[in-house]
Amino acid sequence: DTEVTQTPKHLVMGMTNKKSLKCEQHMGHRAMYWYKQKAKKPPELMFVYSYEKLSINESVPSRFSPECPNSSLLNLHLHALQPEDSALYLCASSQLAGEWNEQYFGPGTRLTVT
Amino acid sequence: SQELEQSPQSLIVQEGKNLTINCTSSKTLYGLYWYKQKYGEGLIFLMMLQKGGEEKSHEKITAKLDEKKQQSSLHITASQPSHAGIYLCGATYTGTASKLTFGTGTRLQVTL
Repeated sequence: DTEVTQTPKHLVMGMTNKKSLKCEQHMGHRAMYWYKQKAKKPPELMFVYSYEKLSINESVPSRFSPECPNSSLLNLHLHALQPEDSALYLCASSQLAGEWNEQYFGPGTRLTVT
Repeated sequence: SQELEQSPQSLIVQEGKNLTINCTSSKTLYGLYWYKQKYGEGLIFLMMLQKGGEEKSHEKITAKLDEKKQQSSLHITASQPSHAGIYLCGATYTGTASKLTFGTGTRLQVTL
């Protein structure tokens, strides 16, 4: 089973709202990732968690706050977002962090900031 | 400048025809990955290539890695409508650990 699940599928939020995106995997993977994908662009890495610890933050604004409560779950907390943050947010996981590990992606959350 | 360039940007082929997509890196590759994405959906892992000269196949899709050219090609034989989508190559580089950098993508349409 190579399934990564994400909820919600779609999210519309105002600039003053606080919301969270959720990601879950049950493959025993110890690395999890958040990516942002704008329309007609490739995904761009935001965060990497390895063994539930944040290992990479690609200079993401603090209005995005990741959290890894356990090895199966990854959250992305959103606060005071801007309309330009509207995008498809993709979660991925891999067995381990590192150059050789294939990442498996979830279906994404389509976020619209109004 | 883009580290990973794909060509062509888009491709329309008739069902049953063969096609090739190329991915070229401006830096020395560590690992090269191929993914497929349907519009607005998640990425589906196709193949990972690690060594120069390596070739992998899955059903009618074959990928090769040319270490000298820092280039990978994805070849689809006898294309079907189910092959339609966006093909993305991704790369990791020495010292960048888990950071997967994606190419610009190739949009494939298969006509009947």
